[in-house]
Amino acid sequence: DAGVIQSPRHEVTEMGQEVTLRCKPISGHDYLFWYRQTMMRGLELLIYFNNNVPIDDSGMPEDRFSAKMPNASFSTLKIQPSEPRDSAVYFCASSPTGISTDTQYFGPGTRLTVL
Amino acid sequence: AQSVTQLGSHVSVSEGALVLLRCNYSSSVPPYLFWYVQYPNQGLQLLLKYTSAATLVKGINGFEAEFKKSETSFHLTKPSAHMSDAAEYFCAVIKNTGFQKLVFGTGTRLLVSP
Repeated sequence: DAGVIQSPRHEVTEMGQEVTLRCKPISGHDYLFWYRQTMMRGLELLIYFNNNVPIDDSGMPEDRFSAKMPNASFSTLKIQPSEPRDSAVYFCASSPTGISTDTQYFGPGTRLTVL
Repeated sequence: AQSVTQLGSHVSVSEGALVLLRCNYSSSVPPYLFWYVQYPNQGLQLLLKYTSAATLVKGINGFEAEFKKSETSFHLTKPSAHMSDAAEYFCAVIKNTGFQKLVFGTGTRLLVSP
């Protein structure tokens, strides 16, 4: 299996632009998670999906952030408009049956820089 | 609310020495506890997890951790460090089964010298 795939690996954009991060989870995994990692705030869960349905989006910073999972093999995290404080590494992860009963597999991350 | 505290942002050991990374938790109910490792420019990888079964949990790469309720601790150990163990290690907690929202500690960077 190729593991969790994220694209792009690096993104540099200017403030005010729309940014879309993409994730392909491991086939057969029912859970998909989006995390953000910064020096100031550490690792934070932004949102997670179960069977393509968003379950908990309480970690999404504000309305500029949105996430979708149109099917079991694809998810996006969109920031519109982007701001410099959104600069971070964004990780996607997936799990077959959830983290308490199974393993969570992380993708390599997308490093976002907003100028 | 559940939380974890990792003592020491950096730990330095010599190759072959004991590795001890400290994690204390705060939880109103018996927690599920995790240790993850992050190598440079990579995502996190699960080392081991405690889910209220055996208090001594063995993980990958020779790591293990012991759940001590009386000390509210879940320290990570490895008898003999390898150069390849140099990475950042994160302790994390969820309330219990069915919950999916991991709360991470601030991380401990392990440095291994020859």
